[in-house]
Amino acid sequence: QVQLVQSGAEVKKPGASVKVSCKASGYTFSNHGIHWVRQAPGQRLEWMGWINPATGDTKYPRKFQGRVTISRDTVARTVFLELHSLRSEDSSVYYCARDPGIAVAGTLDYWGQGTLLTVSS
Amino acid sequence: DIQMTQSPSSLSASVGDRVTITCQASQDIRRYLNWYHQQPGKAPKFLIYDASNLETGVPARFSGSGSGTNFTFTINSLQPEDIGTYYCQQYDELPSFGPGTRLEIK
Repeated sequence: QVQLVQSGAEVKKPGASVKVSCKASGYTFSNHGIHWVRQAPGQRLEWMGWINPATGDTKYPRKFQGRVTISRDTVARTVFLELHSLRSEDSSVYYCARDPGIAVAGTLDYWGQGTLLTVSS
Repeated sequence: DIQMTQSPSSLSASVGDRVTITCQASQDIRRYLNWYHQQPGKAPKFLIYDASNLETGVPARFSGSGSGTNFTFTINSLQPEDIGTYYCQQYDELPSFGPGTRLEIK
């Protein structure tokens, strides 16, 4: 069955960077895009970007351009989210999610369990 | 950027009730609208795509309708496991989510 397993909780200081991983199994890795979404406490879901695992092509919303890097390791079937210049407002749960297709269509059919990031001095 | 709104922000209903949530987009998104359900402390679960199509395995008591800027999500015969927050999400442009509707059982 499709599974996305994310790395564990992180605590970082303001100004630091964090890299969160998302390991996929149960489907053909290169046939489905991967999205990253975050959710601050009590807030709505916020889309952070997408990667085509086959080509490495990425897409980011304006808000995160320059501060977010999404990459992949096709051998390890793993996608990474790196967020730079952390601030307290980045404290959230971060989710990876699979797209049913390979284009940046924007449907998220399977989700990882989430990774809690706390940014605090 | 396309802004999504939902109403109500929260609601309380009894088991067996029919529940309706509305979602509005700031511009025409045709039918590029999904619905998700998030139980407390869990990841969202995908329910409906293209405004009205049920994802495989989703119970038939869930349904969706609409096009353009106005959409509706309905639960017929509310069940205890339906509690949580429901989000609409557009993908006509880069994805964006509504603020959510929190549903609780009376």
